[in-house]
Amino acid sequence: GEDVEQSLFLSVREGDSSVINCTYTDSSSTYLYWYKQEPGAGLQLLTYIFSNMDMKQDQRLTVLLNKKDKHLSLRIADTQTGDSAIYFCAEIATGGGNKLTFGTGTQLKVEL
Amino acid sequence: GAGVSQSPSNKVTEKGKDVELRCDPISGHTALYWYRQRLGQGLEFLIYFQGNSAPDKSGLPSDRFSAERTGESVSTLTIQRTQQEDSAVYLCASSSGLNSPLHFGNGTRLTVT
Repeated sequence: GEDVEQSLFLSVREGDSSVINCTYTDSSSTYLYWYKQEPGAGLQLLTYIFSNMDMKQDQRLTVLLNKKDKHLSLRIADTQTGDSAIYFCAEIATGGGNKLTFGTGTQLKVEL
Repeated sequence: GAGVSQSPSNKVTEKGKDVELRCDPISGHTALYWYRQRLGQGLEFLIYFQGNSAPDKSGLPSDRFSAERTGESVSTLTIQRTQQEDSAVYLCASSSGLNSPLHFGNGTRLTVT
């Protein structure tokens, strides 16, 4: 079955880069997503990557995909206090309908 | 344009009562999903509607849970005889089709006392 794992917490200083990591088990994953959840809010789509890509950059965000190791990362450059939130990775696997399987989320805390 | 809208935003109910949660998807989105998020945990898939196809109910935790969707519009998630373990945030999402990103509402926080 599908399983998506993330570390629970990450603390960085404002202005530094943040790297949030995710591992998944389903080798048939087609799309992998990063969502951001601020307190009391729903999930906001940040970015996504198709499984035949190994990198995608979008302004301060860089997604790296190592399909061999089933490892996905999200790098946030020049992290700001407004980036403090919970970050979820999620995958869609072929044959799984269009259901997203989510990781448990990584809480990012940005300190001054 | 308008995003996914959920109501109510908060619901407190007594154990044993039935509750209905509502989701208005983004106009034109053919797919609609319900997820549950317990405190401090990730998202648990509940049910998925795609167009006129039979819904994927594989994530519903018990027969107390049911959901309906009329065409490609509003959906309601009904929980009968609520239990304290049903307390969670219930999130609805919609997408424009297969492999398209899901867009989430702000959720309904359900508290069963």
